[in-house]
Amino acid sequence: IVLTQSPATLSLSPGERATLSCRASQSVSSYLAWYQQKPGQAPRLLIYDASNRATGIPARFSGSGSGTDFTLTISSLEPEDFAVYYCQHRSIWPWTFGQGTKVEIK
Amino acid sequence: EVQLVDSGGGLVKPGGSLRLSCAASGFTFSSYSMNWVRQAPGKGLECVSSISTSSSYIYYADSVKGRFTISRDNAKNSLYLQMNSLRAEDTAVYYCARASPHMDVWGQGTTVTVSS
Repeated sequence: IVLTQSPATLSLSPGERATLSCRASQSVSSYLAWYQQKPGQAPRLLIYDASNRATGIPARFSGSGSGTDFTLTISSLEPEDFAVYYCQHRSIWPWTFGQGTKVEIK
Repeated sequence: EVQLVDSGGGLVKPGGSLRLSCAASGFTFSSYSMNWVRQAPGKGLECVSSISTSSSYIYYADSVKGRFTISRDNAKNSLYLQMNSLRAEDTAVYYCARASPHMDVWGQGTTVTVSS
């Protein structure tokens, strides 16, 4: 299953809303997660099963979608949110990741 | 504190071998499937291998099948990745991750460099 993320780069200012897309080449049901990764750090789970926030994740992060189309929304960007975001499915092995969306400061 | 600590990375020549380890603490290791995920320099993430709680189910990415072996020792709270016949394209940071079933806890990563 190929996951395609768009856009590759999102240039926004703090306080703005970010909308990231992830499209699967076939249905993954709701078995989709979103991760945040900062330089030199391991990925951090944000959202699992399409719409559930992981422990300790702020409410400004939300996920939606099912089947083949998914969205991660950051309602109001904080300075610490500028990072790379990956989607990942666990529908069937091999689990795969999207190529990532970089959210950068405009 | 729930924690995973990766170790065992280093510089190895093409065709060589390396064994990665992941030490778990702060949770019941034997209750969770575990994964190895890697990230080549400047690239995205790739799930390399997965092992179920009792090692009954094991999966590999096609890119490492036949060369890598995942294993675990529940008595020692440890996960392993034996990597043989290493290639330049195996150069990456390798992370272990807890699968609950989503990957909610990650190690800090250990760097593997395959170069002559």
